[in-house]
Amino acid sequence: DTEVTQTPKHLVMGMTNKKSLKCEQHMGHRAMYWYKQKAKKPPELMFVYSYEKLSINESVPSRFSPECPNSSLLNLHLHALQPEDSALYLCASSQPLVRDEQFFGPGTRLTVL
Amino acid sequence: DAKTTQPNSMESNEEEPVHLPCNHSTISGTDYIHWYRQLPSQGPEYVIHGLTSNVNNRMASLAIAEDRKSSTLILHRATLRDAAVYYCILRPPGNTGKLIFGQGTTLQVKP
Repeated sequence: DTEVTQTPKHLVMGMTNKKSLKCEQHMGHRAMYWYKQKAKKPPELMFVYSYEKLSINESVPSRFSPECPNSSLLNLHLHALQPEDSALYLCASSQPLVRDEQFFGPGTRLTVL
Repeated sequence: DAKTTQPNSMESNEEEPVHLPCNHSTISGTDYIHWYRQLPSQGPEYVIHGLTSNVNNRMASLAIAEDRKSSTLILHRATLRDAAVYYCILRPPGNTGKLIFGQGTTLQVKP
């Protein structure tokens, strides 16, 4: 199984809502990532988890809260988002070595009203 | 982090070879060169990577200049399915796992 799955595929939320994005992989990878991609722009790294511990936070606002409950799961909890947070949120996983390829999920398309 | 420069867009005819260039003049001796592509409405997909020597896999070839300041991704026979944004990425040393995407090259393949 070389797949990274993300749910939901689409999410519409208001600025006062709390929602969560979910990412799952069963490849035994010990590094997992969240990226944000605005339309017509390249993906931007948000967070890196290595061995279930947060190793990189790219100065992401606290309204985005990542969680890695086990080696297969990665969540992104969303609270009090702004319309400018609307984007495609991509999850990826890999073995945590610099030369190892990252496997990306299809993303969650988030719209904040 | 070292930076890459790629043309914004390129066109190719189907079944012809495509050479996608990437300049990375500030590359350090331990940076790996990775290529990913992103097909429309999909997440990025790994294509190939290398350090110093040229590399081949089932998807593409990677030619790395001797001074490592540039590289070229070669698709030997472009198909319509190869139309995508191609990203050349330098991965810094250490196990941070960071992928810093540049603007990429949008490849159009004409039938």
